Amino acid sequence: GESVGLHLPTLSVQEGDNSIINCAYSNSASDYFIWYKQESGKGPQFIIDIRSNMDKRQGQRVTVLLNKTVKHLSLQIAATQPGDSAVYFCAENNAGANSKLTFGKGITLSVRP
Amino acid sequence: DADVTQTPRNRITKTGKRIMLECSQTKGHDRMYWYRQDPGLGLRLIYYSFDVKDINKGEISDGYSVSRQAQAKFSLSLESAIPNQTALYFCATISLTGELFFGEGSRLTVL
Repeated sequence: GESVGLHLPTLSVQEGDNSIINCAYSNSASDYFIWYKQESGKGPQFIIDIRSNMDKRQGQRVTVLLNKTVKHLSLQIAATQPGDSAVYFCAENNAGANSKLTFGKGITLSVRP
Repeated sequence: DADVTQTPRNRITKTGKRIMLECSQTKGHDRMYWYRQDPGLGLRLIYYSFDVKDINKGEISDGYSVSRQAQAKFSLSLESAIPNQTALYFCATISLTGELFFGEGSRLTVL
């Protein structure tokens, strides 16, 4: 069935290092992908998105890479800061009639000072 | 002010009680969603609505109902709450470009 999954449940990085969070998806019809960040006690917040006609998109300190061949999505955070500590979710959407987002289970990013 | 507002933020209730979670949005979006979040299970879709009076079941709709009487409001009801409905509930709207906006969440505990 359709699923979106993250390879690792937790990731610990040193402050200042780059972080890479990976995500696999199984629905080849998905054409829109989003990364969300959820801090403790808050709702998920949009970080960056990418459509299936692209393989890379950059934001401020973040880059999302999409590999449709192997159905893999990654989020790269440059110069990770303590404020980046949170749970990160990838999500996929098929922009067909249902337009439902399917979320991965989430990965915790912990930044060591 | 938040774009998506949920009330109550926290609620403790007893088994068998009826509970309603309210959601209102100021984004002007047509599409609204209710998700449930449990540790280790991520966000799961309960119900969604594409317009006023439009209701669609998500992956875990059993035990829940919703009402969409106005574009800005989407309420989630538990007719007879049970302990395994203890969770964090999120309402969300989605823009035409597919960006999802979440509320701050409603933590429900069923004893």
